Amino acid sequence: DIQMTQSPPSLSASVGDRVTITCRASQSISTYLNWYQQKPGKAPKFLIYAASSLQSGVPSRFSGSGSGTDFTLTISSLQPEDFATYYCQQSYSSPFTFGPGTKVDIK
Amino acid sequence: EVQLLESGGGLVQPGGSLRLSCAASGFTFSSYAMSWVRQAPGKGLEWVSAISGSAGSTYSADSVKGRFTISRDNFKNTLYLQMNSLRAEDTAVYYCAKDGAHDYYDSSGYDYWGQGTLVTVSS
Repeated sequence: DIQMTQSPPSLSASVGDRVTITCRASQSISTYLNWYQQKPGKAPKFLIYAASSLQSGVPSRFSGSGSGTDFTLTISSLQPEDFATYYCQQSYSSPFTFGPGTKVDIK
Repeated sequence: EVQLLESGGGLVQPGGSLRLSCAASGFTFSSYAMSWVRQAPGKGLEWVSAISGSAGSTYSADSVKGRFTISRDNFKNTLYLQMNSLRAEDTAVYYCAKDGAHDYYDSSGYDYWGQGTLVTVSS
């Protein structure tokens, strides 16, 4: 199985900050990488697919990049509603594993 | 509007069985692969099982293989997860999730999720 890691596990940031989350795959997954946002007690929300394509309705302050084994999710200007946990997921090889998550909270 | 509504969760003893359902609406159900993803209390997301749009192919994680069975009724627009021989480590919120693709292996990510149903395995 492909192992996914994320860094950092958590971070504290202020409204308006630029935030970058890293996701790494244990082997090359091309650009078969998705990102989700989850708030406490809620279902995950689909943000980005194919490493850099923004899901319809997702604000443009979210962006993704990367290919192969290293990927990033960037929030250009953190908003109050962005405080949540973010998960990456590879859809290159079954089982389609998730990363452990990165929790973004208020500084 | 796409809606996914899970039901069937609850408290069950170790070794017991439970059947989860996910009623779908707002899209052509048979055109998309569907998955079950679970989340243990305070933990991350774990893919459990998937089924192609036509129901011709199913896939399961090693952790549930031989115990859980995924199925779908494309006439009733409903996804199911039959869970047998339940263990304490199966305790989690179970989400049904719609894929952007028809087939599991062409997955483009899960674009819609249900609200989840809690399964607790305890004596």
